[in-house]
This record gives sequence, structure tokens and C-alpha cells, in this order.
Amino acid sequence: DARVTQTPRHKVTEMGQEVTMRCQPILGHNTVFWYRQTMMQGLELLAYFRNRAPLDDSGMPKDRFSAEMPDATLATLKIQPSEPRDSAVYFCASGPGQGASGNTIYFGEGSWLTVV
Amino acid sequence: DQQVKQNSPSLSVQEGRISILNCDYTNSMFDYFLWYKKYPAEGPTFLISISSIKDKNEDGRFTVFLNKSAKHLSLHIVPSQPGDSAVYFCAASEGYFGNEKLTFGTGTRLTIIP
Repeated sequence: DARVTQTPRHKVTEMGQEVTMRCQPILGHNTVFWYRQTMMQGLELLAYFRNRAPLDDSGMPKDRFSAEMPDATLATLKIQPSEPRDSAVYFCASGPGQGASGNTIYFGEGSWLTVV
Repeated sequence: DQQVKQNSPSLSVQEGRISILNCDYTNSMFDYFLWYKKYPAEGPTFLISISSIKDKNEDGRFTVFLNKSAKHLSLHIVPSQPGDSAVYFCAASEGYFGNEKLTFGTGTRLTIIP
């Protein structure tokens, strides 16, 4: 059963600490997205990659957030230093890419981050 | 600037009745629209979609209507069932495919009353 896998599922950390979230996209998918869910903004796009290259990271606060794909099976989202306003659910999603069959993207179960 | 808007944060509907969820968008470049359903502690899952060349798409109890001139779409669920209680997100893509970058609304929490 192909699915997007995210770790950790839950994370509580103190303000100022570094947080790293990891995502394993569905095998064969070449497009990976990071979304953040907040009450006010709904699901907002932070960054996305195609074939491991960043295509758009305009939704990400550049001073503290960074996203990478070290290889095709791993995407990371790092926050350093973390702040209480970063508390949210972070979703990774993957898709087969432009023109491919399967007309949707698939989400992981999310990483629940609480910064105190 | 919210390009996809869901103005009703919540909706309660009696079991067996029709649920209608609404979504408005501002970006004329959007060509593909999707609805996702989300249960607590889970990721959103794809429900139904429609391309801009159509005005209606039906899948079982779910129908999506698109009014491109009004930049409005709606999701109809009939009959509504208790398992339909969830948060529903409207999403849009500038491409012709739903597996590209999606812009989401803020969601509508649907509660089906038994």
C-alpha cells in the first residue's frame, strides 16, 4: 500500500531549538510538497520540489526555514531557531508530476509541532 | 491574499439531507479544481475534481459544480451520512492537472447529525 511517510508524528520543543521533519514520498513520485495547516490560512504551501530540485519556496520564511531533498526517497524541512508561532501541523505530499497519470497529490499523516 | 476562499468555517446537516459546501476563487489562471476530505489526525485525501472545461462532475454521492464566470464551485453530498463528518478543503491548480502545485482554501468543517 503506497503512502507518504512522515516523521516525527508529534514533536514538542522549546523555543530556539532546531526542528527537523522528514518525509518519504511514494516510490516513483517525482514531485514533493511541504504544506502547513493553520486555522487562519488553512493549508498553505511552504515549498515544493520536482526531481529533487526546488521549484518554489516563496511560502517559506527564509530566515529560519529550509527545505531539501538529499535523495529521491527523502525530503526534509528544518526550522532553526523554532518559535511558538511555528506551532502547526506540517504535511508532506507527493505526486507523479506534470502530465503523469493519477490526477492528484497524496498527503502524509502530518507532523504535529508544538513550540513552547 | 487568499486566492481560494471557503467562507463557511462550519456546516451542520441532518443525516440523509443534502450537504452543500461552497468555494470561491480569485485567480483566473486556475484551470483544475479539487476537493479534499480530512479526518482528525490524518492527512487530507482526494475526493473529487473538475477541470475548467466542464461544469459538473459526479462520483456516486458526490457532485462538484463549477461556475467559471462567477469563479465559484460547490460540492454536493447527497444523501449525507455520518461518515461524511470531516473538514473539506477546496483546492485549485493553474495547470490542467491535479498533481501539480495546489492552492487550498481554509476548509469547512461538516458535521452530519444522526
